[in-house]
Amino acid sequence: GQQLNQSPQSMFIQEGEDVSMNCTSSSIFNTWLWYKQDPGEGPVLLIALYKAGELTSNGRLTAQFGITRKDSFLNISASIPSDVGIYFCAGQLTSQGGSEKLVFGKGTKLTVNP
Amino acid sequence: DAGVIQSPRHEVTEMGQEVTLRCKPISGHNSLFWYRQTMMRGLELLIYFNNNVPIDDSGMPEDRFSAKMPNASFSTLKIQPSEPRDSAVYFCASSLMADLKSPLHFGNGTRLTVT
Repeated sequence: GQQLNQSPQSMFIQEGEDVSMNCTSSSIFNTWLWYKQDPGEGPVLLIALYKAGELTSNGRLTAQFGITRKDSFLNISASIPSDVGIYFCAGQLTSQGGSEKLVFGKGTKLTVNP
Repeated sequence: DAGVIQSPRHEVTEMGQEVTLRCKPISGHNSLFWYRQTMMRGLELLIYFNNNVPIDDSGMPEDRFSAKMPNASFSTLKIQPSEPRDSAVYFCASSLMADLKSPLHFGNGTRLTVT
């Protein structure tokens, strides 16, 4: 089945540092998504990417959809304590029928030290 | 918008008991997904529905698990009988199928503990 390899598994950084995480897959996806999960809550969508090569920003977050359609990265600039959480990548292969299931990475747990 | 609503937030039960998890999707969304999250396996899709019809239940672990969606505003995930290895956080999510750019919206999950 389709699998996503997300790295790193965890990161410990100082406030103000930049963060980078990525996902790779052996399968092609036509949508890449990045979610953040806070403790006790469900994942919340941060950025959605729909075209190979697409580079999208959302505030201090930047994500790119790899040209090969098999990878994506997420960067967070100037981290702040509230960036703490688990970040998930997700790939989706959408058919004509509409929404299809997402395949999730295992997550990157981010800790930001003030 | 109230978002996806799940109940209960926490469930503690003894092995062998029946467990029913409930979900109310976002109004107007016609796709509904049940996920299970554990430390070891991450987020796993159990089953999803389009327009109240189950489309893919290949992620359902075994016959002890069943899911229903009797109408567009309600779904249940039932485990009978429950086992300790079923302990996990179960998430429900919904989206708008017709919109290819409609992202999944997750509920806050039900934390299930089976002793």
